[in-house]
Amino acid sequence: QAVLTQPSSLSASPGASASLTCTLRSGVNVGTYRIYWYQQKPGSPPQYLLKYKSDSDKQQGSGVPSRFSGSKDASANAGILLISGLQSEDEADYYCMIWHNSAWVFGGGTKLTVL
Amino acid sequence: QLQLQESGPGLVKPSETLSLTCTVSGGSISGSTYYWGWIRQSPGKGLEWIGTISYSGNTYYNPSLESRVTMSVETSKNQLSLILSSVTVADMAVYYCARQDRCSDGGCVFYGMDLWGQGTTVTVSS
Repeated sequence: QAVLTQPSSLSASPGASASLTCTLRSGVNVGTYRIYWYQQKPGSPPQYLLKYKSDSDKQQGSGVPSRFSGSKDASANAGILLISGLQSEDEADYYCMIWHNSAWVFGGGTKLTVL
Repeated sequence: QLQLQESGPGLVKPSETLSLTCTVSGGSISGSTYYWGWIRQSPGKGLEWIGTISYSGNTYYNPSLESRVTMSVETSKNQLSLILSSVTVADMAVYYCARQDRCSDGGCVFYGMDLWGQGTTVTVSS
């Protein structure tokens, strides 16, 4: 089982909010990890959005709008990227990442469609 | 502003050695608080961290690739290099270099990647 699992796709309407989840494998406690989120559009490299460990330990990427925010759902053992006020330009692939067992590990990515 | 640009041969033969360079512009590698990472992305394996290096040459490799990877820094040229030996078709990917900030707390050495190069595509074929 992969360390990080993301839904392969998600659709949402313009103006709505989208909650992208990154579920950690059983036994890998989300509470102890700093979760990173990246956005990638076709033909471009991943772009850093934010990192989130707790409300007191988080950072927004440079120039990243505040409508992108991070959180955790401890009951689901998951990190969450919330995108509010969806815009067409938010259509992209989104990846989560953590530092686990001396290596950076990425999730498989979620393709967000805004329609 | 800081920019990273990967370069190298787009085609490598199986069993041969891949050598890539990342040129950093708009800032100096040496003496900075940054670390520098290499990541690759393939359709089959997704994003995969290869390793990270400090400006002084301290290296941190992905255990899954460590036996085949060598990273180095050429501060006089403001460049990073990645060498991957004994390549196979499984090494076909877009290779990225990226910047990683040094941790400000004692819980880690470096943070994740916050600035990426545009990437260079590597094909493995005879």
